[in-house]
Amino acid sequence: NAGVTQTPKFRILKIGQSMTLQCAQDMNHNYMYWYRQDPGMGLKLIYYSVGAGITDKGEVPNGYNVSRSTTEDFPLRLELAAPSQTSVYFCASQEIRDRGSEAFFGQGTRLTVV
Amino acid sequence: DAKTTQPPSMDCAEGRAANLPCNHSTISGNEYVYWYRQIHSQGPQYIIHGLKNNETNEMASLIITEDRKSSTLILPHATLRDTAVYYCIVRVGGNQGGKLIFGQGTELSVKP
Repeated sequence: NAGVTQTPKFRILKIGQSMTLQCAQDMNHNYMYWYRQDPGMGLKLIYYSVGAGITDKGEVPNGYNVSRSTTEDFPLRLELAAPSQTSVYFCASQEIRDRGSEAFFGQGTRLTVV
Repeated sequence: DAKTTQPPSMDCAEGRAANLPCNHSTISGNEYVYWYRQIHSQGPQYIIHGLKNNETNEMASLIITEDRKSSTLILPHATLRDTAVYYCIVRVGGNQGGKLIFGQGTELSVKP
C-alpha cells in the first residue's frame, strides 16, 4: 500500500494563477481531509469529505474548492492564487470506526505564491 | 475550534520519561482522545488513542483521568528523535462524524 500520496511535492505559482493539488489514498478510507500549515503554526482544516460525493467546509475554506468523485481521490483546487495561500498543504485519510482509528497523512505539498 | 489545550513547549532530558499533558474539559462520554506528532515539517504521525482506560503501545502510554477531562501522553525513554510537536485531539462533532481539528500542540525538545 502506498498510503496517502500527494502531488506535486513543491510548486511555485504566480499571483492569479490556478492549480490543483492532488491527493490519492489506496486504503479505501471513507474520510479525507485537506489542511494547510503556515510557518510556525498548527494545521488548519480547509475542507473534508465523509465519502464520495460529500464534502464540507473546515476552518479556512475561502479561496479553495474540492470535489470527491471517487473514494480514492480528493483534489484541492486553488483559483486565483494569492500570496496568503503560501503554505504547506497536507492531505489525510481515515476510516471512521466505533473504536476510533488513526488518520494517515501525506508528506505535504509546499506551495509558494509570488 | 480545537477542544483541547496544551502547554506550548516542554523540555526533556534524553533517556528520561517525557510527560505531555492535555486538557479536554468539554469532552463527551463517547469521544476518543487522540495523540499525533509532527517531526520537522513532515506529515503528522499517529501515536495512540483512548477512551477512558489507560492505553499502551510500542510508542507511548496514554493516561486518561477518571473524569476524562485531562490526559497525559508518556514517552517512557525519550530520545533525540522524539523532538517534535505533539498534538492532543478530540474530534469535533463526535467519533462517527465530525472533523479532525488540530490545536497548537506542545513543542517537545529532547536534550542530550
